[in-house]
Amino acid sequence: GAVVSQHPSWVICKSGTSVKIECRSLDFQATTMFWYRQFPKQSLMLMATSNEGSKATYEQGVEKDKFLINHASLTLSTLTVTSAHPEDSSFYICSALWTGPGQPQHFGDGTRLSIL
Amino acid sequence: GENVEQHPSTLSVQEGDSAVIKCTYSDSASNYFPWYKQELGKGPQLIIDIRSNVGEKKDQRIAVTLNKTAKHFSLHITETQPEDSAVYFCAAKDAGKSTFGDGTTLTVKP
Repeated sequence: GAVVSQHPSWVICKSGTSVKIECRSLDFQATTMFWYRQFPKQSLMLMATSNEGSKATYEQGVEKDKFLINHASLTLSTLTVTSAHPEDSSFYICSALWTGPGQPQHFGDGTRLSIL
Repeated sequence: GENVEQHPSTLSVQEGDSAVIKCTYSDSASNYFPWYKQELGKGPQLIIDIRSNVGEKKDQRIAVTLNKTAKHFSLHITETQPEDSAVYFCAAKDAGKSTFGDGTTLTVKP
């Protein structure tokens, strides 16, 4: 069964609105969560890494004021796309990692974001 | 940083044939190598993984081999079925984050 739950699975909204995506680890405590963006027929592009209780680390080129990440608990991380525009339309996927060497990342089922 | 190359980018096989996807990595510190399967509109799902102290691992029709000296690892799928059609990603991980390959689109023709 799914170990990472991501909601919503699909969102359509008007340009200028903010959208929040939730990522929950179901069967384990995730000390680290990752947020990815994926364009059609392309690989996973890491946006940011968040550790519980601390500020997220953003990859180069990702605007931290545009993509707000909160990792307030060991089972929940949220990504808020602020003032979304059509170019923010994409498939966003979260991933959770349990502490320890050689542990796999478990992925959510993604959120399809469409900005009109 | 780590760099992972994955080949081929697309692979088409007949049902029942075998499929092989290969990945190379650059950082000798990487010690964990998972493979993910992504179906259309869904997130990647872990299908098999291998750690650096093991050379081969098998799970039913799926196997992974690792050559640490050459820094490459491969996914082998035998007796392919149409439901194996998906995008497959390899990854290399050290103590920190995983670095993913660009993916292989596998099509199994019935």
